[in-house]
Amino acid sequence: GAVVSQHPSWVICKSGTSVKIECRSLDFQATTMFWYRQFPKQSLMLMATSNEGSKATYEQGVEKDKFLINHASLTLSTLTVTSAHPEDSSFYICSARVGSTSYNEQFFGPGTRLTVL
Amino acid sequence: EDQVTQSPEALRLQEGESSSLNCSYTVSGLRGLFWYRQDPGKGPEFLFTLYSAGEEKEKERLKATLTKKESFLHITAPKPEDSATYLCAVQGSFTGGGNKLTFGTGTQLKVEL
Repeated sequence: GAVVSQHPSWVICKSGTSVKIECRSLDFQATTMFWYRQFPKQSLMLMATSNEGSKATYEQGVEKDKFLINHASLTLSTLTVTSAHPEDSSFYICSARVGSTSYNEQFFGPGTRLTVL
Repeated sequence: EDQVTQSPEALRLQEGESSSLNCSYTVSGLRGLFWYRQDPGKGPEFLFTLYSAGEEKEKERLKATLTKKESFLHITAPKPEDSATYLCAVQGSFTGGGNKLTFGTGTQLKVEL
């Protein structure tokens, strides 16, 4: 149980284009999903918290107009990187919280490698 | 602000050579301390959650312990397949409404034959 998938697993795009990444909880409903980015040899940095049916909460320093998050259902959250630039190249990972309290563990997807040329 | 420091940054072990990884933390109101394993190019895999000082959890060759200031991940008789980066994260009461995980930079473990 507690399986989270991401699509695509990798994507290469040209500078200025937009890229959408999907995060799905496969065997449970996730009222809260999280989006992280990870640079090489560095740890995970939380970008935003996504709650089903409401606006995402962004961490300080993360541009909400650039990283659009939609959590339209209890099993799907999407991250759209708008007008991507080479500095947006990174490993994007989503997670979903199992259960309804903040004490519950987060389970992570396999990640999406974004390369912007 | 919650902080997590992991040591060592990298560790090489011979197969069967037991050792421990350290995770030191400062947090306002610990709600949980989490250990994850991450293989290259993949998302973190959940290992353990510890909630209070004195708690211990085991899974195969791994054992996690918790004090008020740090957590240890003990690896007993490791095998090459245990090679990975081990991440520690904390969840505090007063950051992000209690949802936010703050991660350390990880310990990269390499187990050789």
